[in-house]
Amino acid sequence: GAVVSQHPSRVICKSGTSVKIECRSLDFQATTMFWYRQFPKQSLMLMATSNEGSKATYEQGVEKDKFLINHASLTLSTLTVTSAHPEDSSFYICSATGGLNTEAFFGQGTRLTVV
Amino acid sequence: GDSVTQMEGPVTLSEEAFLTINCTYTATGYPSLFWYVQYPGEGLQLLLKATKADDKGSNKGFEATYRKETTSFHLEKGSVQVSDSAVYFCALSVPRGSARQLTFGSGTQLTVLP
Repeated sequence: GAVVSQHPSRVICKSGTSVKIECRSLDFQATTMFWYRQFPKQSLMLMATSNEGSKATYEQGVEKDKFLINHASLTLSTLTVTSAHPEDSSFYICSATGGLNTEAFFGQGTRLTVV
Repeated sequence: GDSVTQMEGPVTLSEEAFLTINCTYTATGYPSLFWYVQYPGEGLQLLLKATKADDKGSNKGFEATYRKETTSFHLEKGSVQVSDSAVYFCALSVPRGSARQLTFGSGTQLTVLP
């Protein structure tokens, strides 16, 4: 299947700093990318949906000014956690799809720890 | 809203045992149903899917049948192997904009002992 690369896999940052997570589709054009967050022993919760070249659509309760999403090309989307706090510590995972009836491919996930 | 309820883990089985992981869903309209698997240190991979009622998805010895009457999509395998140890996610998808949005269950950790 297609490959989606997410980087970094783990990151530790200090409170108040910003962290950028990258999600790349390596061998297909991703018209839509999704960003999820997963707390321990809980579901993957959809944070936002981004379409290439347009603003991301955020789910209810997700602060768009805190979780900045950019999808500037058909192969790259980034999630920036701004002014991170310990409660932002979580597992973040992206997925990418080439269209309405195509499979979604997932990145490896990023474990963020804010200290 | 749409939701998926998945059997809680962890589940520990001996090699060659029979596996069932229960999954039920609520959704408006006619969702597609999926099982994803996540091996340690890797991303989620699609294991199998079913797009309409009574469809059976199958892959690598795993099977699941889309039961509209019971709103279920239980995952089964007749004889598990150590290499099946992973986290399994049940999910549904509905069209949203230009893509299909996935809603996930909480995941079930499976450990198979030799």
